[in-house]
Amino acid sequence: AQSVAQPEDQVNVAEGNPLTVKCTYSVSGNPYLFWYVQYPNRGLQFLLKYITGDNLVKGSYGFEAEFNKSQTSFHLKKPSALVSDSALYFCAVRDGNSGGYQKVTFGTGTKLQVIP
Amino acid sequence: GAGVSQSPRYKVAKRGQDVALRCDPISGHVSLFWYQQALGQGPEFLTYFQNEAQLDKSGLPSDRFFAERPEGSVSTLKIQRTQQEDSAVYLCASTLDRVGYGYTFGSGTRLTVV
Repeated sequence: AQSVAQPEDQVNVAEGNPLTVKCTYSVSGNPYLFWYVQYPNRGLQFLLKYITGDNLVKGSYGFEAEFNKSQTSFHLKKPSALVSDSALYFCAVRDGNSGGYQKVTFGTGTKLQVIP
Repeated sequence: GAGVSQSPRYKVAKRGQDVALRCDPISGHVSLFWYQQALGQGPEFLTYFQNEAQLDKSGLPSDRFFAERPEGSVSTLKIQRTQQEDSAVYLCASTLDRVGYGYTFGSGTRLTVV
């Protein structure tokens, strides 16, 4: 079975400071990893994904994530936080070895609060 | 359309009532997924369609839940005899490919069972 852990329910960071939202995963094969963001009363928006290749993945709105196979982590980062980044962030994983269809499993989410 | 459209946006149902939730995926998207998101939780997988074929319904919580996509485009999630624990946001997502490298989600339907 595949799973995702987001150990922090909430992360607070001052505007302009770097931010990190943590994610660890468990999957039997090669991981396909994703980050999504959810604003209040909105659906989830895709931020970035890791499928293969460079361990540092760049995505939308200045976000990036680093894939670390030995630590089974895929932490989301941004060098300088904006108040508008305040939202709920979800990490997700699927098994890349299965080929074809495989469902995506989401974490429980981390609320990011950027303080002006 | 430009995005995934879900209707209604909000639904209040009395316990025991049947409801139908609609999802209009992006035109041409092969794969369609339904997820359930309870308050304060991450989305939980319900079911998956590849075109009109329902290939995975392992996440449907009971036989009161039924989904269809008869022509391979619009999908309907039906919940019979709703119960309070069915209260959640129901999210629909679609992708162009079969693998699902990245979903495009709709805004969801918030179902409240009273």
